[in-house]
Amino acid sequence: GQNIDQPTEMTATEGAIVQINCTYQTSGFNGLFWYQQHAGEAPTFLSYNVLDGLEEKGRFSSFLSRSKGYSYLLLKELQMKDSASYLCAVLDSNYQLIWGAGTKLIIKP
Amino acid sequence: GAVVSQHPSWVICKSGTSVKIECRSLDFQATTMFWYRQFPKQSLMLMATSNEGSKATYEQGVEKDKFLINHASLTLSTLTVTSAHPEDSSFYICSARDLGTGRFSYEQYFGPGTRLTVT
Repeated sequence: GQNIDQPTEMTATEGAIVQINCTYQTSGFNGLFWYQQHAGEAPTFLSYNVLDGLEEKGRFSSFLSRSKGYSYLLLKELQMKDSASYLCAVLDSNYQLIWGAGTKLIIKP
Repeated sequence: GAVVSQHPSWVICKSGTSVKIECRSLDFQATTMFWYRQFPKQSLMLMATSNEGSKATYEQGVEKDKFLINHASLTLSTLTVTSAHPEDSSFYICSARDLGTGRFSYEQYFGPGTRLTVT
């Protein structure tokens, strides 16, 4: 079966750094997406990785290791507005998005 | 670019009635549209995938006669929840994809969602 695991909830302090991990087991792999979703809103695109390594985009970075079935999203200089759920999704061999359950990130002052 | 709208943004209906939700791609042609449902504190659950001009493909466990999907044009898909019941209350989100305009292969652009409450 297809499976994506992420921590359910994480807490971090404003100004700090947090890493949200995602491990996956899917039938095939055509890339991994990270989305941010604020409560009551639709997901918004953060990053896409299809090759191994680190992709940096401002305060957010995403890392992928295909051999380990592992990715992480790194958020630096945390701001209160970063409080949201972060969804990991893998594009499988049929080009279907398989979604993780999401990680709720709570930022404290 | 790549904007997807949904209408209505929220709706309250009585049990037994039907509700139609529209999903439009405003500045691109969506060859494929997806309908998701999300219950509170849970992740997105794909309900169905529709390609323009053909019947939707429903995920296992989703009743196709209850959730009618029509993708009649390259910019519009509709989801009709028929004979709605309180357990159908949820956040419904559509997304659209066009292989020709995505920044990355198979990127999906999401609509803002529709909150359905059935009383």
